[in-house]
Amino acid sequence: SYELTQPLSVSVALGQTARITCGGNNIGSKNVHWYQQKPGQAPVLVIYRDSNRPSGIPERFSGSNSGNTATLTISRAQAGDEADYYCQVWDSSTAVVFGGGTKLTVL
Amino acid sequence: QVQLVESGGGLVKPGGSLRLSCAASGFTFSDYYMSWIRQAPGKGLEWVSYISSSGSTIYYADSVKGRFTISRDNAKNSLYLQMNSLRAEDTAVYYCARVGTPGGMDVWGQGTTVTVSS
Repeated sequence: SYELTQPLSVSVALGQTARITCGGNNIGSKNVHWYQQKPGQAPVLVIYRDSNRPSGIPERFSGSNSGNTATLTISRAQAGDEADYYCQVWDSSTAVVFGGGTKLTVL
Repeated sequence: QVQLVESGGGLVKPGGSLRLSCAASGFTFSDYYMSWIRQAPGKGLEWVSYISSSGSTIYYADSVKGRFTISRDNAKNSLYLQMNSLRAEDTAVYYCARVGTPGGMDVWGQGTTVTVSS
């Protein structure tokens, strides 16, 4: 079955750039979606198909995907960006796969 | 506005059954694939099942296959999850989500809590 690997935690200084990775075998050949989940809330889609932002998502959020790693980049990090972030792909054998999630801390 | 509202969660004994519902509004429900995702306390997101717009294509996670059944009623704009033979490890918040055209889950409900305990 297909697996996605994310770091458990990432820290970033206020106003700096955070990068959250999502590793998977040849993930560059798949469409990667990213979700933000704040405590007690439902997840929110922040990036779809590797690098596209849904309406209402700030331009500070961007994504890339190549080789075995997809990356969610959050520029000019704000306190309100503190959340858990999950990557997700569709796989022919496993259907829907989520990464384990990364807790982003803004210092 | 576009909205999903889950219901049907609660406390159930191991081996018991529960039926979750998800009411959709604000969009043409019959045009979209739908999915159930769950989140155990303090854990990450786990995909449970999805169903195509017509209901003809269905997939399940191995952890629930044979015990859970997803269905939909497009006339009632509703998604369902019948959960049988429940186990303690099924304890979680269950979310329904709309699968957007690009493949991401672009609308989520607020979740309903299922607790399996004796």
